[in-house]
Amino acid sequence: QKEVEQNSGPLSVPEGAIASLNCTYSDRGSQSFFWYRQYSGKSPELIMFIYSNGDKEDGRFTAQLNKASQYVSLLIRDSQPSDSATYLCAVNMLGGYNKLIFGAGTRLAVHP
Amino acid sequence: EAEVAQSPRYKITEKSQAVAFWCDPISGHATLYWYRQILGQGPELLVQFQDESVVDDSQLPKDRFSAERLKGVDSTLKIQPAELGDSAMYLCASSSIGRGSDEKLFFGSGTQLSVL
Repeated sequence: QKEVEQNSGPLSVPEGAIASLNCTYSDRGSQSFFWYRQYSGKSPELIMFIYSNGDKEDGRFTAQLNKASQYVSLLIRDSQPSDSATYLCAVNMLGGYNKLIFGAGTRLAVHP
Repeated sequence: EAEVAQSPRYKITEKSQAVAFWCDPISGHATLYWYRQILGQGPELLVQFQDESVVDDSQLPKDRFSAERLKGVDSTLKIQPAELGDSAMYLCASSSIGRGSDEKLFFGSGTQLSVL
């Protein structure tokens, strides 16, 4: 079982719709969770982080965390073509030093 | 805005040659990471430094890869000899503290390596 799992997609949504991206993780003790956006040929860019169960909103983005189910998601409201990218879920593994494990990413395509 | 600097941006080399990548983290960031990202996959941690010390190199292929951060600031990742399977994006990232679960990583622009 992979430590961090994401559906590879592509997830195709129309402009203006809500895009829902999901991630599951294997380490029950993980405490912090991150979403990175990566455009083709570019490096990952941090867009959201969440530490506590529940929802966290930042503009059009909402991160949701359910530690009991080992599940974290990212919602993008009012999706725009510029949101088309790969979204990487990253989980901080238990241990002394900060160590992020990434999923393989979900490719999102927003069509006009 | 402070950034992680990486060079070169692109590197093409032949199989069995040596190649080196350089990274300068955000000023003041004690923790530096090297990740490798194969096309279609997520980044995989190769090595992590806390100041000048290696704290995790469990996934570094030590027969051909080496990494150093001699003065605890900038870092070099070397591959010798390069193999076809090393073709990937090599990403450097930094964070301000190593311990604790809430620290955020910031990535450089990466080096795209092609081994022919």
